[in-house]
Amino acid sequence: AQKVTQAQTEISVVEKEDVTLDCVYETRDTTYYLFWYKQPPSGELVFLIRRNSFDEQNEISGRYSWNFQKSTSSFNFTITASQVVDSAVYFCALSEAKDTGNQFYFGTGTSLTVIP
Amino acid sequence: DGGITQSPKYLFRKEGQNVTLSCEQNLNHDAMYWYRQDPGQGLRLIYYSQIVNDFQKGDIAEGYSVSREKKESFPLTVTSAQKNPTAFYLCASSPGTFNQPQHFGDGTRLSIL
Repeated sequence: AQKVTQAQTEISVVEKEDVTLDCVYETRDTTYYLFWYKQPPSGELVFLIRRNSFDEQNEISGRYSWNFQKSTSSFNFTITASQVVDSAVYFCALSEAKDTGNQFYFGTGTSLTVIP
Repeated sequence: DGGITQSPKYLFRKEGQNVTLSCEQNLNHDAMYWYRQDPGQGLRLIYYSQIVNDFQKGDIAEGYSVSREKKESFPLTVTSAQKNPTAFYLCASSPGTFNQPQHFGDGTRLSIL
């Protein structure tokens, strides 16, 4: 079973619109971390944010905000007033501690296109 | 500047040939990872290493091999046994604890001639 589900494969919005990228995760651990990454056309994954399982406060960074809800196992990402530079593939990831070392579980990504 | 360097950026493989992808990091990270990315399938873990001279298979290790002789380096060999090697390969590193993000290189795109 997929541990991280990003149901939205592709999203297109017009510049200046708000857009929310959904992420649903599955884990039995009580301590875990969630991450969002951005992959621009150049290919490198860029780390955006980390959130631990005990911190459900929403976070805002400029035009970006994240909504973490343990009750629904979701960690959604909202871009306000989208810009063309936001066009990229966005990945949500879950990290659990394992006896054999930690491992990240990535979702399949959401491709966002911002149309000027 | 600290970071992860992958080379080459583009690589072409002939049938029956082994090729090696390079990954070097100067972040002093203990853990390193190799992922394969295919369109619409996200990232799939090939191998990872938590410490020098030790590595573990990921979800799709068949047809691949790695070594970790130095902390900074984690080369990936795509062997002739990997029948569908065309993909984008990403190397990552992290301090090794599960609360720390992984940092990625720019990737290598491998194609079959």
